[in-house]
Parts: sequence; C-alpha cells; structure tokens
Amino acid sequence: RKEVEQDPGPFNVPEGATVAFNCTYSNSASQSFFWYRQDCRKEPKLLMSVYSSGNEDGRFTAQLNRASQYISLLIRDSKLSDSATYLCVVNYGSQGGKLIFGQGTELSVKP
Amino acid sequence: NAGVTQTPKFQVLKTGQSMTLQCAQDMNHNSMYWYRQDPGMGLRLIYYSASEGTTDKGEVPNGYNVSRLNKREFSLRLESAAPSQTSVYFCASAWGASNQPQHFGDGTRLSIL
Repeated sequence: RKEVEQDPGPFNVPEGATVAFNCTYSNSASQSFFWYRQDCRKEPKLLMSVYSSGNEDGRFTAQLNRASQYISLLIRDSKLSDSATYLCVVNYGSQGGKLIFGQGTELSVKP
Repeated sequence: NAGVTQTPKFQVLKTGQSMTLQCAQDMNHNSMYWYRQDPGMGLRLIYYSASEGTTDKGEVPNGYNVSRLNKREFSLRLESAAPSQTSVYFCASAWGASNQPQHFGDGTRLSIL
C-alpha cells in the first residue's frame, strides 16, 4: 500500500462546478497534513494546511478524518485558473519535517 | 523576495559526467530537502538536512551526494550521471518542525544522454 494515495485523475469539470479530491495515508503517527498545488512543469506551492477541525480558505475547504486516515479537499465555484495538479502531503510520522507526497490529482476546468 | 533559488534551471549531461545542483534559501530555514519528480512517480525525497551540519538519506539516495554548506545552501551532486537520473529536481526548505510546510525552488530539469 502506498503511504499516501490520491484519487486517480484527471478530473474534467465545467467552470462553476464543485469538485472534491480524496486522499488516504497509511502512517497513523502522521501529525501534519497539507494540500499543495502544482502547475504544469512548475514547482509545488502550498495551497493550505489541513487542521483537525477542518478549515476553509475562500472557495477551498479541507477536512481531516484521523480515525479513517483520510483527507479531502473541496473546491467550490471552480475557475479556469484552478486547473492544476493537486498534491496531498503528509508528514513522515515521528521523523520531523520529512513529508510524503501523493502522486497528485489533475484537475482541468473547462469554460 | 527570492525564497528558494536553484541553479542551473536546465542541464544536459552525458552518461558518466558529474555535476552539482545548487540550492540557496533566504528565509533562515533550518531544514532543506532535495526531491526528484518523474512522470507517474510523484515527488520522491533524495536527501534532506534537518539542520546545518546534518544530512540524511531519503527514499532514493543512490547515485547522489549532498553537502549542507551553511544554513543557506544545500547542494546535490551526481558523481557519475546515468540516464535513470534524468528527472526534474526540486530543492525545498522549511523551518523543520513537523507542522511546517516546505517551500520549493522552481526546479532543475536534467537530461542524461
């Protein structure tokens, strides 16, 4: 089992749609969780951290379920500019700042 | 407002050649990381440095060496390049605590012929 698994893509959605990405992780000792965004052939950029209580940043909502070892990202009112690959990222349990990256889910928002 | 700076941005090598990828950060971060990204594989950690003076292997360290020159700089060396090392290499830095995200440079695209 991969340490971080994400929904396979690509997701093709029309502008204005709501889209949800799911991610599961295997290390129950993981404490920190993030969603990163990566545009084609560019560096990953932090989209948002994921907190236990869930958190929202504008059109983006992240949820964490520790019992199921599951993380989600919801994007509402999709924009063309949301087209990118979304990476689920989990810290390496007890090993400090090391992060494990999922393979990513590609999103394509169409007019 | 540079953040993490990587050089070079592109490089083509012949099998057996050596080269060093440079990375510098100006955010006073304690930890630095080198990743490679291949199609369908996601980002994989090569080496990391939790703090100045320390380095540790990541998931795919074979064929690479690193040097944490000072707090700002972390270099990655390929001693004898192989075609399997053709990849996009990203350097990242972070404060180092487990709840802190990493900040990435814009990558080095390396081709080994």
